[in-house]
Amino acid sequence: QKEVEQDPGPLSVPEGAIVSLNCTYSNSAFQYFMWYRQYSRKGPELLMYTYSSGNKEDGRFTAQVDKSSKYISLFIRDSQPSDSATYLCAMSLASGGSYIPTFGRGTSLIVHP
Amino acid sequence: GAGVSQTPSNKVTEKGKYVELRCDPISGHTALYWYRQSLGQGPEFLIYFQGTGAADDSGLPNDRFFAVRPEGSVSTLKIQRTERGDSAVYLCASSLSLANTGELFFGEGSRLTVL
Repeated sequence: QKEVEQDPGPLSVPEGAIVSLNCTYSNSAFQYFMWYRQYSRKGPELLMYTYSSGNKEDGRFTAQVDKSSKYISLFIRDSQPSDSATYLCAMSLASGGSYIPTFGRGTSLIVHP
Repeated sequence: GAGVSQTPSNKVTEKGKYVELRCDPISGHTALYWYRQSLGQGPEFLIYFQGTGAADDSGLPNDRFFAVRPEGSVSTLKIQRTERGDSAVYLCASSLSLANTGELFFGEGSRLTVL
């Protein structure tokens, strides 16, 4: 079993839909939780990060962390075709100052007009 | 450019050859990471530098892989005796050291194909 599990999809939704992307993890010591977006043939770019449990909102994006269930989510409201990409969850320990993120395999999202 | 720069963007080589991949991080970023991403998978950690030294090389798959960062800026990932299984996109990322909470800035990657 991998430390971070993520359904690869693809997830196909119509424009304007609310999208829910999720990851589960096994290491209860993870403290930082991140979502990266990766367009085809590009490097990942950070969308949001959250420390410990709780919610964080940024525009159309909301990140949720439930440490008791070892489950994190990213919600995208009013999805746009430009949101079509692979979404990678990542998480890290706060040990030794290195904060090396461990990534999920990514979920491919397709938003069609 | 202000972003992480990686060269070459594409490299095709034959099994058994030696390959070098270069990463130029964002100016002022002391932390530098190498990841490998296979098709349909997420980035897999290889090695992390803090300044000139390799702070964590636990992700290197075997002794054919080696990385250096001699002056604390540009880094080179070196792969000896390449195998077909080494084919992947090699991603480099950098971050500010003290403020790092997993906020890595990635380059576009070097796509390695071993024939």
